[in-house]
Amino acid sequence: GAGVSQSPRYKVAKRGQDVALRCDPISGHVSLFWYQQALGQGPEFLTYFQNEAQLDKSGLPSDRFFAERPEGSVSTLKIQRTQQEDSAVYLCASSSQRAAPLRDTQYFGPGTRLTVL
Amino acid sequence: AQSVTQLGSHVSVSEGALVLLRCNYSSSVPPYLFWYVQYPNQGLQLLLKYTSAATLVKGINGFEAEFKKSETSFHLTKPSAHMSDAAEYFCAVSQDSNYQLIWGAGTKLIIKP
Repeated sequence: GAGVSQSPRYKVAKRGQDVALRCDPISGHVSLFWYQQALGQGPEFLTYFQNEAQLDKSGLPSDRFFAERPEGSVSTLKIQRTQQEDSAVYLCASSSQRAAPLRDTQYFGPGTRLTVL
Repeated sequence: AQSVTQLGSHVSVSEGALVLLRCNYSSSVPPYLFWYVQYPNQGLQLLLKYTSAATLVKGINGFEAEFKKSETSFHLTKPSAHMSDAAEYFCAVSQDSNYQLIWGAGTKLIIKP
């Protein structure tokens, strides 16, 4: 079966542009996470969905960041008016469980590398 | 607040030698602990996890880790390194009441022939 896929794999944006990053989780997975990974660092939590509900968005760094999962499957992370400090790899992960999601394995996509010039 | 410290951004071992990657955490309550591996151009893959069962956890590819509460550590070991183990390894911690994984900065494992 297919794993988590993300597109595009690479994105170059000019400062001020809006970008949209897509995540296709494993089919049937209830939980979906977005992380931001800066160069040389571990991932940092951005937001968490349980089906279509965004239960935690405490990690989103500013109101320029917006995530949605309208039908409980595909998710999009949108960054408005990109800044150079937004340059990072954006990771998506999904897991099958609803309750106690951290006891369940998170499966990660390959990430989208965003470079803001 | 929880945090994770991985000692050594790079660790180099010879093929066949013991692998030891260190992870220390801070947590006010018993945590869940994870080791993930990231191969070049691939997504993060779970190696093993501790969820309050046995303190010695065995994972994939011959890796294991031991939860030591008194030392607040969860070091990753493998008795004999293989060239295919070259990758970046991340330790992460969380509590069941929180959706968030808190990650270490990662350790790049280099295998010398």
